[in-house]
Amino acid sequence: GAVVSQHPSWVICKSGTSVKIECRSLDFQATTMFWYRQFPKQSLMLMATSNEGSKATYEQGVEKDKFLINHASLTLSTLTVTSAHPEDSSFYICSARPRLDTQYFGPGTRLTVL
Amino acid sequence: GNSVTQMEGPVTLSEEAFLTINCTYTATGYPSLFWYVQYPGEGLQLLLKATKADDKGSNKGFEATYRKETTSFHLEKGSVQVSDSAVYFCALSDGFGDDKIIFGKGTRLHILP
Repeated sequence: GAVVSQHPSWVICKSGTSVKIECRSLDFQATTMFWYRQFPKQSLMLMATSNEGSKATYEQGVEKDKFLINHASLTLSTLTVTSAHPEDSSFYICSARPRLDTQYFGPGTRLTVL
Repeated sequence: GNSVTQMEGPVTLSEEAFLTINCTYTATGYPSLFWYVQYPGEGLQLLLKATKADDKGSNKGFEATYRKETTSFHLEKGSVQVSDSAVYFCALSDGFGDDKIIFGKGTRLHILP
């Protein structure tokens, strides 16, 4: 089946630093990738949708300058949390979608900002 | 706006018990409905889906029927196994295909041997 990986699986950083999270589709090409955020005991909230080669579309309330998304190839999307603060600590999950197919989810990345 | 409400967990059952996890939704139009499962340490996996009223999705012994009259999509399994222990998410999509999925909060299921 389709596999999506994320790297790193967990990361701890100091306040004010930037963190990059990678999302890769391992055995298929994904025209669209999605980034979600999940707080403890909460549902997954869609942050943004990215299409290969174009700018990401951010959901209302998500700061595009804080959460930089790059979808440079059909198998890789990156999320960079810039100038991270403790309130950015969360579980970030990506998904990838081949054309006209369902979304396949990565295992998630737990970010802790000290 | 569109939303999904599912029963709070955790749910603890003995092996071979009957499982029901309730899910109701609010949506305009005709959404597609999904159940996703997240096993410990793994990503979300699509368990089953239904795309129109009265459709029944099924997989691995799990079933859910799209009930438009009650706006529900309850997940059921007749005899659960320890290996079914996971977090289950009810979700809907109001876009093309399953674009922009809206998730419920998830229900953690523990199955005791």
